[in-house]
Amino acid sequence: SAVISQKPSRDICQRGTSLTIQCQVDSQVTMMFWYRQQPGQSLTLIATANQGSEATYESGFVIDKFPISRPNLTFSTLTVSNMSPEDSSIYLCSVSAGPRAVPEAFFGQGTRLTVV
Amino acid sequence: AQTVTQSQPEMSVQEAETVTLSCTYDTSESDYYLFWYKQPPSRQMILVIRQEAYKQQNATENRFSVNFQKAAKSFSLKISDSQLGDAAMYFCAYVGGGADGLTFGKGTHLIIQP
Repeated sequence: SAVISQKPSRDICQRGTSLTIQCQVDSQVTMMFWYRQQPGQSLTLIATANQGSEATYESGFVIDKFPISRPNLTFSTLTVSNMSPEDSSIYLCSVSAGPRAVPEAFFGQGTRLTVV
Repeated sequence: AQTVTQSQPEMSVQEAETVTLSCTYDTSESDYYLFWYKQPPSRQMILVIRQEAYKQQNATENRFSVNFQKAAKSFSLKISDSQLGDAAMYFCAYVGGGADGLTFGKGTHLIIQP
């Protein structure tokens, strides 16, 4: 299993500013994932954070808006840049752990972001 | 691209009764995994049960079991002896055999009536 600490748990931000969300894992993991959950919606994958290389973004998400860092195998950050009210969502960090034959995704508790 | 469909936005069940949540998916892969996650109001995603596509036997975890129909691409969750603590959003999710993130369905809001 993996224990994930995500900070901050919530924040209220002014439009036009940026927020960096931190994700710390208690063990080394290869793949870290960032998801967005808009109000009342399901989770959508933003990007996969790879250690030592650039993140891989899903369709509809770009690096300029959601820059990601992955400096080591236990830590990653997601920045939400130049925020607008449409960015108000829950952002979740996730990792895969366990033998590759049985992937299991573990999640942080999420960051609830409100943009005003 | 893979898709996951949950056709029941909301389900309601009496405490101690049994409820089944539906999920269908579409994929061209032969190696994949399916999951059911629970998200209570605390918003923490909790793994309920998982199924490996190569296994014919349906997964079971205490009161939770699945009906995995690979040919029909169906993956329903049965909750027996429903408890008040089961009330939450339930998400069906898919991941392929590669190093991918999860694809989620839209979720089913489960209400437990006392």
